[in-house]
Amino acid sequence: GESVGLHLPTLSVQEGDNSIINCAYSNSASDYFIWYKQESGKGPQFIIDIRSNMDKRQGQRVTVLLNKTVKHLSLQIAATQPGDSAVYFCAEQLDDYKLSFGAGTTVTVRA
Amino acid sequence: EPEVTQTPSHQVTQMGQEVILRCVPISNHLYFYWYRQILGQKVEFLVSFYNNEISEKSEIFDDQFSVERPDGSNFTLKIRSTKLEDSAMYFCASSSGQGKGYTFGSGTRLTVV
Repeated sequence: GESVGLHLPTLSVQEGDNSIINCAYSNSASDYFIWYKQESGKGPQFIIDIRSNMDKRQGQRVTVLLNKTVKHLSLQIAATQPGDSAVYFCAEQLDDYKLSFGAGTTVTVRA
Repeated sequence: EPEVTQTPSHQVTQMGQEVILRCVPISNHLYFYWYRQILGQKVEFLVSFYNNEISEKSEIFDDQFSVERPDGSNFTLKIRSTKLEDSAMYFCASSSGQGKGYTFGSGTRLTVV
């Protein structure tokens, strides 16, 4: 995914507040999207995914929204906690085999 | 919860030397991948592997790179003659099927000096 306009490389959020992380993807034919969380020194960790036949999917404290019209994906984290501090990447599956990652947003949670 | 295991966690090598990065994917997964992440940049696709052959590779994955699944459990990435610009985190991932999320390993930090 690429980042155009709405993407912010960093996000500082007060503990307990909601976080919204945005991502713009590049291929209108992509049909599967994933959000990953990466903590320092670790590999990407799956958070939530969504297919193109849906526009919203909810998990535990997280919600992913997909707007295919403008090729935009967002991740909402409810009641952000210190453990949510990490880099968040969106990824689009371009075909059956590979993921294309966005640039990442570093989320810092203030106590 | 099943994990993808990578060894070593950190490898330092001299320029021009060969390195082999090792991965043990999740046992019932069929699709295997290598990605790399240069410090501060996004994760980039290198290669995918299915049914004992490469499915797709990126332009980064040139003749200096090769992958192998030597037995039923290991999946390796070899860099034949390392360059300074090969310094990065290398992540192995596996998946149970097409169109499904991957599980990533914790990565190997490769430092070429």
